Amino acid sequence: EVQLVESGGGLVQPGGSLRLSCVVSGFIFSPYEMNWVRQAPGKGLEWVSFISGSANTINYADSVKGRFTISRDNTKNSLYLQMNSLRAEDTAVYYCARGAAVDDAFDIWGQGTMITVSS
Amino acid sequence: QSVLTQPPSVSGAPGQRVTISCTGSSSNIGAGYDIHWYQQLPGTAPKLLIYGNNKRPSGVPDRFSVSQSGTSASLAITGLQAEDEADYYCQSHDSSLSYVFGTGTKVTVL
Repeated sequence: EVQLVESGGGLVQPGGSLRLSCVVSGFIFSPYEMNWVRQAPGKGLEWVSFISGSANTINYADSVKGRFTISRDNTKNSLYLQMNSLRAEDTAVYYCARGAAVDDAFDIWGQGTMITVSS
Repeated sequence: QSVLTQPPSVSGAPGQRVTISCTGSSSNIGAGYDIHWYQQLPGTAPKLLIYGNNKRPSGVPDRFSVSQSGTSASLAITGLQAEDEADYYCQSHDSSLSYVFGTGTKVTVL
């Protein structure tokens, strides 16, 4: 079964840091592009970051550029998001999502992990 | 990042047809990038509903279809069913090297 499982969420103070992980199973991880997408409480989806299979190409949304770092370890079937200088507006459920092999749709999603930034 | 604009809500009776619009710009939909649609049932993660040119993942009924023209796209649901009550999002690539999502539409089955 193809599966993405996020972890690392929790409560953090403004200005703090947190590292999210997404462990995948059921498919060969290395060829696939991966993304992080977030959803603030009661709000819509916001794309956060993209990483190619080889990690040669990385992109970020303007809202997180310079604060968040996406990475992957293909030997561990894992995707990461290092989040620094967290702000209240970063409070959201964070999903990892697989980029489809052919189209650039996000064809598989994890269940999400909640990040709350509050003092 | 730019966003794609959707109506906040649409509703219809069981069996009816509803459509959800998705309006973008020349840097995303108008640039010819594929449009994808996602369904998010209450309390769950989004699920890919339709991708590319009316392609459906396994298990998605053909009651769902899409169309596109210029800088806009639309998702149509025919034969509306209670299980279709959910939030729907369009998504595209943007020439700013990012991805953009629509603002989301809540579908209510009356």
